[in-house]
Amino acid sequence: EPEVTQTPSHQVTQMGQEVILRCVPISNHLYFYWYRQILGQKVEFLVSFYNNEISEKSEIFDDQFSVERPDGSNFTLKIRSTKLEDSAMYFCASSRRTEAFFGQGTRLTVV
Amino acid sequence: EDQVTQSPEALRLQEGESSSLNCSYTVSGLRGLFWYRQDPGKGPEFLFTLYSAGEEKEKERLKATLTKKESFLHITAPKPEDSATYLCAVQSSGNTGKLIFGQGTTLQVKP
Repeated sequence: EPEVTQTPSHQVTQMGQEVILRCVPISNHLYFYWYRQILGQKVEFLVSFYNNEISEKSEIFDDQFSVERPDGSNFTLKIRSTKLEDSAMYFCASSRRTEAFFGQGTRLTVV
Repeated sequence: EDQVTQSPEALRLQEGESSSLNCSYTVSGLRGLFWYRQDPGKGPEFLFTLYSAGEEKEKERLKATLTKKESFLHITAPKPEDSATYLCAVQSSGNTGKLIFGQGTTLQVKP
């Protein structure tokens, strides 16, 4: 069964460093998303991406964040100058129409 | 503003003891209501999509129903392997597929 793949599963980074989280969406999907979940809190929408551009972003998704689809298969989330409060699980998701399928997440720990 | 509230926050059942989880929502035009299962440290796993009031979907011991203001996830004769956090999310019409999640109900089924 096709699935969304995320790497790495866990990333530890120093405060102020840049990180890139990687995702391989399901191959025939057209819509791509990033969500995050701070420990013990709700899953929160960050950004949606369609047709090679951002279609919607939340207030969380400020200039510190960027997304890219560098080739036909990968979808990345870059976080510049990480802060302690960026520590969370980051989930990539993709959809063909309405149902979104999620990856297993990257646990980002900023120290 | 679109909102999702789930209750109870936690539910402990004996194996075989049926119950229901509630998801109340307010949304500016419902495109779909989604139920996901989330195991600790993992990504949300898609269960159901409901599109209109009166609709019902079933999968094994789970049945999801939808009214104009809430959705229920009924669990019939649960087993310990049904222990997980169940997430409800809504998608509003006219947006880009963004999901707004509730905080989840953590279900524990004891043998």
